[in-house]
Amino acid sequence: DGGITQSPKYLFRKEGQNVTLSCEQNLNHDAMYWYRQDPGQGLRLIYYSQIVNDFQKGDIAEGYSVSREKKESFPLTVTSAQKNPTAFYLCASSISRGRYEQYFGPGTRLTVT
Amino acid sequence: AQSVTQLGSHVSVSEGALVLLRCNYSSSVPPYLFWYVQYPNQGLQLLLKYTTGATLVKGINGFEAEFKKSETSFHLTKPSAHMSDAAEYFCAVSAVTGNEKLTFGTGTRLTIIP
Repeated sequence: DGGITQSPKYLFRKEGQNVTLSCEQNLNHDAMYWYRQDPGQGLRLIYYSQIVNDFQKGDIAEGYSVSREKKESFPLTVTSAQKNPTAFYLCASSISRGRYEQYFGPGTRLTVT
Repeated sequence: AQSVTQLGSHVSVSEGALVLLRCNYSSSVPPYLFWYVQYPNQGLQLLLKYTTGATLVKGINGFEAEFKKSETSFHLTKPSAHMSDAAEYFCAVSAVTGNEKLTFGTGTRLTIIP
């Protein structure tokens, strides 16, 4: 089955700790994306990558970091510099750069206390 | 620049009634438009998309949307609501501005009344 996997589904961390969210796809897609979802705000783009070893900041990149060492993987690190990290995080991919539809993973709900 | 406005953060309809979810976009170039559905604590699933050509687009689960350039709208409809349609719906736009990003609306939560 082709698709996008995100793990874990629920993640709990103490304030001040960095945490890494996993995103893996087996769709052979070139482009991958990370979004943050908060109630009533829709989806906001954190980072995106259109090719291996290259990525760009989205609209709310502060306090986050990413890497893209393999085509299949695009992990997101939420650092202690992120002021309000509790949110639902969604990973997506599309076949390549360009105006293609994006396919989404099931999401990770991060709670920081 | 591109943006999306979804009118009505909450919409309630009776089972069997028409579903109409509104989406207006702003784009300086011909847009690509998308509707996604999200069930609680899940990712987004593509319902339908408009790129070029026929302005009436049919999607999954009986939904369709019509691109109206003159009104800058892409409203989502379904003739007869089903209980399983209860979810959150997101409209998104992509315009060629050099980065091909999707811009999402803030979503409309659809409730179906038995």
